[in-house]
Amino acid sequence: DIVMTQSPDSLAVSLGERATINCKSSQSVLHSSNNNNYLAWYQQKPGQPPKLLIYWASTRESGVPDRFSGSGSGTDFTLTISSLQAEDVAVYYCQQYYSTLFTFGPGTKVDIK
Amino acid sequence: QVQLQESGPGLVKPSETLSLTCDVSGGSVTDFNWSWIRQPPGKGLEWIGYIHSSGSTNYNPSLESRVTISVDTAKNRLSLKVNSVTAADTAVYYCTRGGLHTPHGPLDFWGQGRLVSVSS
Repeated sequence: DIVMTQSPDSLAVSLGERATINCKSSQSVLHSSNNNNYLAWYQQKPGQPPKLLIYWASTRESGVPDRFSGSGSGTDFTLTISSLQAEDVAVYYCQQYYSTLFTFGPGTKVDIK
Repeated sequence: QVQLQESGPGLVKPSETLSLTCDVSGGSVTDFNWSWIRQPPGKGLEWIGYIHSSGSTNYNPSLESRVTISVDTAKNRLSLKVNSVTAADTAVYYCTRGGLHTPHGPLDFWGQGRLVSVSS
């Protein structure tokens, strides 16, 4: 299994400030045939299902605000919220779909400071 | 816009079978892979397994002996069965849409989820 880890477990950021979440996979999720990283980020607000934010590590899903960005390659990835808004309070999960045994990170809770 | 709606009993007795269905609207199940994901209360996400509209499946090894996922293309519906449930199977169960023609894709549409509690 590819084990996904995230850091920090939680963070509190002031409105308008930057939030950075890290995700690490136990093995590379970069596919050599197409140079794509099989890594997605999801946002889950209380009482709601997760919502796809980013896929292929850095491609923003349609309708996702451009303050959300993804970066990284291989085993190390980052989700950045450039200017935190009140509606961004949520738990964020990374997920690999490189292996046919999909695995998620444990989640990072983002709050307002 | 694709919409997914899970339905089924919200309470299942220990040792019995959990059965859920997921109706897909606004799009066809054909050609896509469809995953079931679950989330125990207050915890993270666990992938259960996926099915392609052709019927090919792949399951999480931790659940494989107890899980069956099926698809009814005529009804545009997915199904999930988990046998011999215990309290550890208490969770919100989500159906999700995955990759087109390949299992290796992000989960771009999610149902609202169905909370299933296992208790006598």
